[in-house]
Amino acid sequence: DAGVIQSPRHEVTEMGQEVTLRCKPISGHDYLFWYRQTMMRGLELLIYFNNNVPIDDSGMPEDRFSAKMPNASFSTLKIQPSEPRDSAVYFCASMGGYTGELFFGEGSRLTVL
Amino acid sequence: GNSVTQMEGPVTLSEEAFLTINCTYTATGYPSLFWYVQYPGEGLQLLLKATKADDKGSNKGFEATYRKETTSFHLEKGSVQVSDSAVYFCALISNQAGTALIFGKGTTLSVSS
Repeated sequence: DAGVIQSPRHEVTEMGQEVTLRCKPISGHDYLFWYRQTMMRGLELLIYFNNNVPIDDSGMPEDRFSAKMPNASFSTLKIQPSEPRDSAVYFCASMGGYTGELFFGEGSRLTVL
Repeated sequence: GNSVTQMEGPVTLSEEAFLTINCTYTATGYPSLFWYVQYPGEGLQLLLKATKADDKGSNKGFEATYRKETTSFHLEKGSVQVSDSAVYFCALISNQAGTALIFGKGTTLSVSS
C-alpha cells in the first residue's frame, strides 16, 4: 500500500503569493494531521481532521492559513498571502483509528523569498 | 495539560557506544507512549511504542520501558551505529479519544565511526 503522499516536495515562491500544499492519506485512515517543522520552533501541529471534519485548528498561526479535507483521500493546506516566515517543511500524517501510530509523508519544503 | 519533556541535544557518540535519551511525561489517565525517529530529509516514522505501565517497546535494537512510577519512557540502545544518526522524538497520546498526539522537542543523535 502506498504511504502518505504529499505534493509538491519543494516549492519556492515570492512573498505575497498563494501556496497550496496537498496530501493524500493512507487509504482507510480516518485521522489526518498537518505539521510544520522549523529549526527554531521544532515540530508544530497546525490542524487535524477526523473523518474529514476539522477537530483542532488552534495551531494554525493566523488567518492566512487554511486547511480543507473535502473527502477521505485528499487534503490541502493553503497559505495566502505567503510570507518569508512561513518557510518551513510541512508534513502531513495520517492515522487509522485512535492509536497514536502516525504515518508521515516525506514533507513539502516551502521557501518564501 | 499533557506534555512531554525530553533531553536537550545534540547527543554525540562513537559507534558501539551505549545510548540513553531521557523522556518524561505529564498526563492524566493512562496514555500510550511512543518513540518516533526522523532520518535526514524524511518524515517521522514510528520506532516503538508501549500502551500500558511496565510494557517494554522494542525495535531495531532500541528499547524503552513505560514507567508509571517515574512517568518516564527513556530510549536505550546497547550499541549504536552510524546509521542511527537521526532526530528522536518522544510522544504520548491520551486515552481520551479526540486529542492529538503530543511530541517532545526532539533529540538529535550523531554517531561517528
